[in-house]
This record gives sequence, C-alpha cells and structure tokens, in this order.
Amino acid sequence: ILNVEQSPQSLHVQEGDSTNFTCSFPSSNFYALHWYRWETAKSPEALFVMTLNGDEKKKGRISATLNTKEGYSYLYIKGSQPEDSATYLCAFGGSSNTGKLIFGQGTTLQVKP
Amino acid sequence: DAGVTQSPTHLIKTRGQHVTLRCSPISGHKSVSWYQQVLGQGPQFIFQYYEKEERGRGNFPDRFSARQFPNYSSELNVNALLLGDSALYLCASSLTGTLSNQPQHFGDGTRLSIL
Repeated sequence: ILNVEQSPQSLHVQEGDSTNFTCSFPSSNFYALHWYRWETAKSPEALFVMTLNGDEKKKGRISATLNTKEGYSYLYIKGSQPEDSATYLCAFGGSSNTGKLIFGQGTTLQVKP
Repeated sequence: DAGVTQSPTHLIKTRGQHVTLRCSPISGHKSVSWYQQVLGQGPQFIFQYYEKEERGRGNFPDRFSARQFPNYSSELNVNALLLGDSALYLCASSLTGTLSNQPQHFGDGTRLSIL
C-alpha cells in the first residue's frame, strides 16, 4: 500500500510569519508530485505539478521543492497572510499510464491577523 | 469558461439505496477522475476515465461503478449504500489521461449523507 504523509497536520501562525510543510512519498516508481490548496467551501486548486528531481516551483509567495530520491517535497509560504489560510494537500503520482493520484491527509494552515 | 460542475451539491439517502452523481468536465478536457473525501483525510482515488475508457480503479468495492459519455461528462454510481459511504465526492478533470504536467481541476463536490 502506497503511503503519502504530510506534516504537520495543522499549523497556526501569525500574519507575516514564514512557514513550511513536508510531504513524504514513496521514492520508487515516481512520476509526478502535485500540490493543491483547498480553502473552506471551495474546490481544491492546483498550485504546482513537479516531475523532476530537484525541481523548484514558485507562485507569488509560495514555492515548492522536490527530492524524488529521498521521497519528500517541501512547500514554503513567505510572509503568510490571512488569505493563505487553507488546507494544503500533496498528491503522489506513481504511473505514467493513468491520472491516479494518492493524496496525503493535508496540512491545515491558520494565519491570524 | 465554466469550471468542473458537479450535481447535485447535496444528497441524503438511506442504507441500501443507490445513488448517481454527475460531473461535467472543463470544455476540452477528456479525462475525468472521481475521489471520495472523508473528514480528516485526503481525497481517495475511486476511478479515472479517459476517452470513455476506464484508466484506473482505486481500492473500492464493486458497488462503485462509473462511466464516461461521448461528451466526456461522467457518472459515478454507488449501489447498496452503507453508512460508511457518507462523504464528499469530488470530480476532477484534466486534458490528458496521464499525469505528465497536467494538474487536476476539481469541482465543488457532492456531499452524500447516508441515514
């Protein structure tokens, strides 16, 4: 059974703090690693899709890195804002033949003004 | 452009009944995937369909079935409903049937409650 683990489970930070979360995934049969942001009462929104070891992606104040050899990805948020409050999900793709993704349980971020 | 649309938004059923959930992908997207999300867990993969063919199936019993129509919309059917089927059912579409660099675009989900 393939396992994708995210830590921490939840995080409370003050506005302006920088923060990071971890996603651990199987290091074998890697094809893609996705990050999604899921705000309350909305649908999950794609942040990044990464496929190459050493990949680094950036979108505004949010960035992500990927290490496929050791099976982890970090998501960084610089200068957190209240609108960053959401659940951040990572998802592992282990095959090029399907779109099947295995999701972690998510990290819920609460940013206090 | 319209995003992924799912219907209904909420549904209440009793044990033993069956249910059909519907999904319309983003225009031009040929792949539809279904996920079940239980509170406190990440979405769990149920099915993927691409060009009307099943491309992947998750670890769900045969009570769960799906199909994709020529217009790429999709239905998820669940028979003999159990209390444990209560969950948010998410549909996601993407351009291709493989992961490549294609993100999944999610709908708002159908909240299914079993009494």
